[in-house]
Formats: sequence, C-alpha cells, structure tokens
Amino acid sequence: AQSVSQHNHHVILSEAASLELGCNYSYGGTVNLFWYVQYPGQHLQLLLKYFSGDPLVKGIKGFEAEFIKSKFSFNLRKPSVQWSDTAEYFCALSSGADGLTFGKGTHLIIQP
Amino acid sequence: NAGVTQTPKFQVLKTGQSMTLQCAQDMNHEYMSWYRQDPGMGLRLIHYSVGAGITDQGEVPNGYNVSRSTTEDFPLRLLSAAPSQTSVYFCASRTVAGGWNEQFFGPGTRLTVL
Repeated sequence: AQSVSQHNHHVILSEAASLELGCNYSYGGTVNLFWYVQYPGQHLQLLLKYFSGDPLVKGIKGFEAEFIKSKFSFNLRKPSVQWSDTAEYFCALSSGADGLTFGKGTHLIIQP
Repeated sequence: NAGVTQTPKFQVLKTGQSMTLQCAQDMNHEYMSWYRQDPGMGLRLIHYSVGAGITDQGEVPNGYNVSRSTTEDFPLRLLSAAPSQTSVYFCASRTVAGGWNEQFFGPGTRLTVL
C-alpha cells in the first residue's frame, strides 16, 4: 500500500524566513506527486505537481519542490515566506486510476 | 463555469439519521471522488467514480454509499449517521484525458453528528 509522511505537523516561522516542509512517500512504482494548500476556511488548491522530467518543479506563489527519487522525497520550499502563507499544506501521491493519498498535513503559521 | 459545487455547506444530524451530500461539476470531468478531512489525519478517500455508472471504494468506504447516474453529479449518502462520521467532506473532480491531471476540489461540507 502507498503512503505519504509529512514530518512536521506544526511549523511557526517569522516573515521573510525560508521554508522547507518535508514529505516522504512509500510506493515502489511510478508516482505523481502534489502539494496542495488550504487557506483558513477555504478548500484545497494545487500549489504544484510532479509527473516526470525535471525533478525541480515550480508552482504558484513562489513555491517550489524537488523530487528526489532515491530518497522517496518531495520537499516543498519557499525562500522567503509571507504572512499570507499561513495555511495548511498537504503532500499527496497518485499511483494510478484511484484517488490521491494524502499526508496528514503541516499547519504553517507565519508571524508578522 | 462554477467548477465543483457542494451542498449543503453545514449540516447537523442526530445519530441514526440519513442524508445525502450533493456534489456537482460542470467541467465534463469523467473522474469524481469524495474525501473526508479529519484533524491530524489529512484527507482520506471514501469513494470514487471514473465515469457514469462506475463507482469504487476508497480507503474509508464503510457507512457511505455513492452512485453516478450522470457525468455531472456524484452524491454521497449516509444511511445511518454515526458520531464517527463527524468530519469535513470534500468532493473533487478531474479529467482523465491525456493521463493524470489536476483534481479540482469543492468548498466542502462540514457535518456534525450528535
């Protein structure tokens, strides 16, 4: 069975700090990987996705993620966070025709 | 183009009551799915459908029924609600053309079972 593990459940940063959220997955075959963001009171929005090709993918709002196959990782990064980045972040995996397998989420709080 | 819509936004039920959560999409997406979101658990797949007349179980299907009579609609039925079904429910859809594509999520239904 496939699974997704997010290392940090809660992260608190100051504005302008750099961000890295960890995501590791467990699956032996080809995967598609995603990061979703959920702002307070809103539904999920796609930040970025990896299907194939360049392992460094860039998403919206200055986010990027690097797929490292040997480490089964897909960490999310942003060089300088803003207060508006306060949200819950979910790493997710898809291996086929069924739905997404999500990690448990990381609650990010940015202090002004 | 409304995307994925869900009704109701909020619902309170008593244990044993039944209800249907509605989900509709106007993007002609073949694939639709239901997730539940619980604190500290992320989102977990309940049921999904790859087209009208075809449904399948996800990770946590017990206590829920689905049907897909049209491409647009994918209702989720709770036949006898239990407190363990208190959660936020999200419907999602995507096209299957060209392989895997982005899923679009609805705004969610917050359900409380007393």
